[in-house]
Amino acid sequence: QQPVQSPQAVILREGEDAVINCSSSKALYSVHWYRQKHGEAPVFLMILLKGGEQKGHDKISASFNEKKQQSSLYLTASQLSYSGTYFCGTEIGAGGTSYGKLTFGQGTILTVHP
Amino acid sequence: GAGVSQSPRYKVTKRGQDVALRCDPISGHVSLYWYRQALGQGPEFLTYFNYEAQQDKSGLPNDRFSAERPEGSISTLTIQRTEQRDSAMYRCASSPQQVGYTFGSGTRLTVV
Repeated sequence: QQPVQSPQAVILREGEDAVINCSSSKALYSVHWYRQKHGEAPVFLMILLKGGEQKGHDKISASFNEKKQQSSLYLTASQLSYSGTYFCGTEIGAGGTSYGKLTFGQGTILTVHP
Repeated sequence: GAGVSQSPRYKVTKRGQDVALRCDPISGHVSLYWYRQALGQGPEFLTYFNYEAQQDKSGLPNDRFSAERPEGSISTLTIQRTEQRDSAMYRCASSPQQVGYTFGSGTRLTVV
């Protein structure tokens, strides 16, 4: 049931773009995205509740393709502060019903260099 | 409080001892979750509560693990007869419903 994230790691220079993908084998009710810096707690970035929904937060945005059971996180014009491990968390459900808990992917390590 | 508070931050215990990990969620948050996170891995679900009701405990590894949230606020995760394989970062999170989780700083448990 654990969603699969790709790639496992990304190395960027400041100003470059990146895409992180999250795929599930089950029908999804929602997808969450979190960023965790070394030694700190995961921090919530955004939640996508509806198929086709797209959201943005500063220069970080995400999309949710309900039919394909996948979500993508887009980081544009990356900054040094974007470095960290990104996790998607998926909530299983169908027909507008949530089954409650989040299951997290294994993470994508993003490193931004000057 | 302003955030999710967990105590203790660090706990070293001898194998076979019982430990109790405490979580104080953000005031008014309906849902409270317990996760365990190994180094370099994503958080692994243990159990969660809505108010005082335990909704799902399917992630608890075995019957040595239990959790409660008696008054719908503070929660305690108890591990009985600890084993070395229980060593991990234990994280609590809370949320209003259908919004993102706020995670606490975690309790680093080491069983020696």
